[in-house]
This record gives sequence, C-alpha cells and structure tokens, in this order.
Amino acid sequence: DVKVTQSSRYLVKRTGEKVFLECVQDMDHENMFWYRQDPGLGLRLIYFSYDVKMKEKGDIPEGYSVSREKKERFSLILESASTNQTSMYLCASSLPFPRFGNEQFFGPGTRLTVL
Amino acid sequence: AQSVTQLGSHVSVSEGALVLLRCNYSSSVPPYLFWYVQYPNQGLQLLLKYTSAATLVKGINGFEAEFKKSETSFHLTKPSAHMSDAAEYFCAVIQGAQKLVFGQGTRLTINP
Repeated sequence: DVKVTQSSRYLVKRTGEKVFLECVQDMDHENMFWYRQDPGLGLRLIYFSYDVKMKEKGDIPEGYSVSREKKERFSLILESASTNQTSMYLCASSLPFPRFGNEQFFGPGTRLTVL
Repeated sequence: AQSVTQLGSHVSVSEGALVLLRCNYSSSVPPYLFWYVQYPNQGLQLLLKYTSAATLVKGINGFEAEFKKSETSFHLTKPSAHMSDAAEYFCAVIQGAQKLVFGQGTRLTINP
C-alpha cells in the first residue's frame, strides 16, 4: 500500500511565524505535490516537484516555498504566516506520467490555523 | 488549459436512491479523468479513473462513471446510495504531463 504521511494533523500558529509542513511518501514516487483545500474552491496546487531539488510553481505559489532534498520528503514552508493561509493542506505523490495514469496518492492533510 | 466543472456543490439523496454527481471537463487533448472521494477529516482516495480504454469505468464501493466525449462529461453514478457514501467527491483532469486540475467538489448527503 502506498503511504503518504504528513507531520501534523492540526497546527495552530501565529501571524508572522515561519511554518514548516512535512510530507513523506514510501513508494519511491518521483512526483510530489502540495495543495491547499478551501470550501467551494476545491484543491488548488501550490507547488510540485518531479525530482529531488526540482520544483515548479503551481497555481497559487505566493507566500509559500518548498524544499525537496530527498526523494521521499517534500516540505512546504510558509515564510511568514498570515491569517489568509488558514486552510487544509494536502500532500500527494505519484509516478511520472503516463505510468499508472498519473494517479496521485494523498496524505491525510494538515489543518492549519493562523491566528 | 484544462478545467473541470462540477455541477452542484451539494447533492442530497435518500438511502437506496440513485446517486448522480456531474462533472464536465474542457481539454484540448484526449483526457485522463479521475474521481476522488474525501471522507470527513481524511485525505483523498481514488474512486476510479478513465485512461482512454473502456468508456464505462467501474470503481470501488459500487461507483462507476461514463466518459462521453460528445458531451465532455464524466458523471459519477451509483445505483443505490448507502449511508457510508456521505462524503465530498472531486472530479479531476490531467493538465500537461504531471498535474491534476480539480473541480470545486460536491458534498453528498445521504438521508435515512
């Protein structure tokens, strides 16, 4: 079974804090993704990575950065958290297209609240 | 760019009734399409996917979806709803070679 784990299920931070969200996958997947999920907006891609040390911006990268130093780990960083970054954050991984139809496997999510 | 529209942010059906969740996509190339389900306080789980083989795709938990190119649709159905089907459902389409574009989601409520 593919397993994607995220470091925290719930996180509460203060405005201006630096926040790290960690994601680890155990299936040797090349691709990893960070999404945020907000009611009525579905999932929006923040960043993705298709290889170690490689990253590409998604649809809403502003205010976020990422790090991928090892294949199994993909970190999302909020340099200076703001209240509008309160959201559910989901990590996913996949094999590169077209193997397995590009199915993405998701972690359980981190619900971040910024006060 | 590809996009996905899910008609109806909330759908409510009675237990035992037909479930129909609508998804329309726009894609300039033959699409790969997916339906995911999210149970409360969990991540997303793949229900089924269309990868240009059979147009009627069967998934887990009795769900199926039919790819209709002429209608650019990929609606999700289940003949008889169960209480355990209450969840949020997301339709998604491949964009480029690696990324998924998701619809807004449809929250399914099952009435006893």
